Amino acid sequence: GAGVSQTPSNKVTEKGKYVELRCDPISGHTALYWYRQSLGQGPEFLIYFQGTGAADDSGLPNDRFFAVRPEGSVSTLKIQRTERGDSAVYLCASGENRGSPLHFGNGTRLTVT
Amino acid sequence: EDQVTQSPEALRLQEGESSSLNCSYTVSGLRGLFWYRQDPGKGPEFLFTLYSAGEEKEKERLKATLTKKESFLHITAPKPEDSATYLCARLRDAGNNRKLIWGLGTSLAVNP
Repeated sequence: GAGVSQTPSNKVTEKGKYVELRCDPISGHTALYWYRQSLGQGPEFLIYFQGTGAADDSGLPNDRFFAVRPEGSVSTLKIQRTERGDSAVYLCASGENRGSPLHFGNGTRLTVT
Repeated sequence: EDQVTQSPEALRLQEGESSSLNCSYTVSGLRGLFWYRQDPGKGPEFLFTLYSAGEEKEKERLKATLTKKESFLHITAPKPEDSATYLCARLRDAGNNRKLIWGLGTSLAVNP
């Protein structure tokens, strides 16, 4: 079966622009997480969805970051007015439910110039 | 502070040279300990979950063990394809969420 799919794999954008990153989780997984990872670091939690609702968005760094999961499957992470400090690999992971092992996609490498 | 510490930061082995990676954590009340493997340019790949002290899990050349304060990932007779960064993370309850607290990883290189 297919794993977690993330698109695009790479995104280069200019400072101040808006970007959307997409995540297609494993079918049937109700838990969906967004993380971001910088070089040499472990993943940094951003937001957790259980079904359609954001159960925990405490990791979003500021109000420029927003994520949705309208039908409980595909999720989109949206970043407004991008800054150079937003450059990182954005990882999506899904699990059967909260506390289950997470299965990660290969990430979207975002570069803000 | 709730921390996960992995050691060593980097390890270079010869093919066939067995060794162990360490993951230690500072807060009691473990809900689960996860091991992941990450290759360059890829997302972390799930390896093992351990829930209670004394538990062990094996997969090919890898064996994960757990005590009350730390976990070990033992690599027996490694091959070059085992080269990767190995990440551990502990699970803790946080309101509606169960959060993973991640270590920084051990970068393993296995020379042929």
